[in-house]
Amino acid sequence: DAKTTQPNSMESNEEEPVHLPCNHSTISGTDYIHWYRQLPSQGPEYVIHGLTSNVNNRMASLAIAEDRKSSTLILHRATLRDAAVYYCILRDLIFQGAQKLVFGQGTRLTINP
Amino acid sequence: EPEVTQTPSHQVTQMGQEVILRCVPISNHLYFYWYRQILGQKVEFLVSFYNNEISEKSEIFDDQFSVERPDGSNFTLKIRSTKLEDSAMYFCASREQGKSGELFFGEGSRLTVL
Repeated sequence: DAKTTQPNSMESNEEEPVHLPCNHSTISGTDYIHWYRQLPSQGPEYVIHGLTSNVNNRMASLAIAEDRKSSTLILHRATLRDAAVYYCILRDLIFQGAQKLVFGQGTRLTINP
Repeated sequence: EPEVTQTPSHQVTQMGQEVILRCVPISNHLYFYWYRQILGQKVEFLVSFYNNEISEKSEIFDDQFSVERPDGSNFTLKIRSTKLEDSAMYFCASREQGKSGELFFGEGSRLTVL
C-alpha cells in the first residue's frame, strides 16, 4: 500500500477555514486519494475522494497538487462538530473487488470555540 | 439516510468464551468488511466479504475468527475463543457495487474481554 504522511494534530478556530495536508510522494498513477474522518466514539465516515482534479462536495473540498504527491482537505468553515481524526488514504483504481482501505494514524483536528 | 447498524453496542465476556457480533449492512450493498480499533490505536482491517465468500483477510483474522452472511441481511463476525487482546471496538462496513472507496461504517460494537 502506498504510504501517506499527515501531521499528528492540528488546531483551528470555529468558523475559520481549515487546511489539512497529506503527503503521498510514492503515489502511483492509478491511486485515488480518499479522505475519511472519525468523530469521537464513532466509526469512520467517508468525506471525499479524487484522482487528479480538485473536488468539492457538501462536506469539504479536496485540492490535489499537480504532481499528485500531496493533497489538502479543506473545511471551508469549521464547526465544533468537525473535531475528529482525519485520514488520508490511497486506493488503487485498477484493483477490482472488495478492496480494503488501509487507515494510518491520521490528523487529530481540534476546533476551538 | 440508510445506515449500517451493529449489535450489541457493548459486550463484556470472559476469556475463552465465544462472541458473535452482528451487523446489518445497507440493503443494496454487496461488499462487506470488518475492522477493529484497539483503544487509542489505528483502525485495522480484518476481513472483506463478497459473493458469500471471504475476499481478503488480514493476519489478525486467524482461525479463531469467522464471518457469515446467514440470511441475506445480517453479516456476523464470530470470535470462537476470546482472548484479552481481542478487546477492541469492532466496526462493520459495507459498500455498493461501483463505489470502491466509499465505505459506510457502523457505529461499532465494543468488546471487552475479562
